[in-house]
Amino acid sequence: QKEVEQNSGPLSVPEGAIASLNCTYSDRVSQSFFWYRQYSGKSPELIMSIYSNGDKEDGRFTAQLNKASQYVSLLIRDSQPSDSATYLCAVNAPNFGNEKLTFGTGTRLTIIP
Amino acid sequence: SQTIHQWPATLVQPVGSPLSLECTVEGTSNPNLYWYRQAAGRGLQLLFYSVGIGQISSEVPQNLSASRPQDRQFILSSKKLLLSDSGFYLCASRGLLATDTQYFGPGTRLTVL
Repeated sequence: QKEVEQNSGPLSVPEGAIASLNCTYSDRVSQSFFWYRQYSGKSPELIMSIYSNGDKEDGRFTAQLNKASQYVSLLIRDSQPSDSATYLCAVNAPNFGNEKLTFGTGTRLTIIP
Repeated sequence: SQTIHQWPATLVQPVGSPLSLECTVEGTSNPNLYWYRQAAGRGLQLLFYSVGIGQISSEVPQNLSASRPQDRQFILSSKKLLLSDSGFYLCASRGLLATDTQYFGPGTRLTVL
């Protein structure tokens, strides 16, 4: 089992709809969870961080964490063409080294106008 | 917040030539520093990380090396480049806590011909 798994996509979503991105992780003692957005040819930028079970909202973005099921998701409401990018899930997984984040391979999201 | 500088932004080098990429960080002290490589259309591959001056951990055995001569300076080097070294090289910085966010520099795009 991979440490952090994401569906590579591409995920196509109509403009204005909700985009749902999912991530599962294997280290049960993981404490911190991050979503990054990466536009083609650019470096990743932080979208959301979440540390406790439940939902965390920031504008059109909502991160959801379920530690019992070991998954974290990112919802993007009212999707815009500018949301088209690759979304990376990252986890602080102590059993794989507390000094570093473990990244998934990313989900490529395309918003269709 | 942190600012990470990387140079050069782009580089084209012949096979067998040396390499030196530099990364400097502003706005934080004693960060953990990271070098990643991202091949075209692929995920992030952690190459090296450092928890302090002179302390380097290698994640992937290869013809690259890293050094941290100062607290906020991280250097990636090679004596002889291979074609497979082509990619997008990212420097990242993160604090010491599990909840700390990781920030990325703008990256260096390396093409080995």
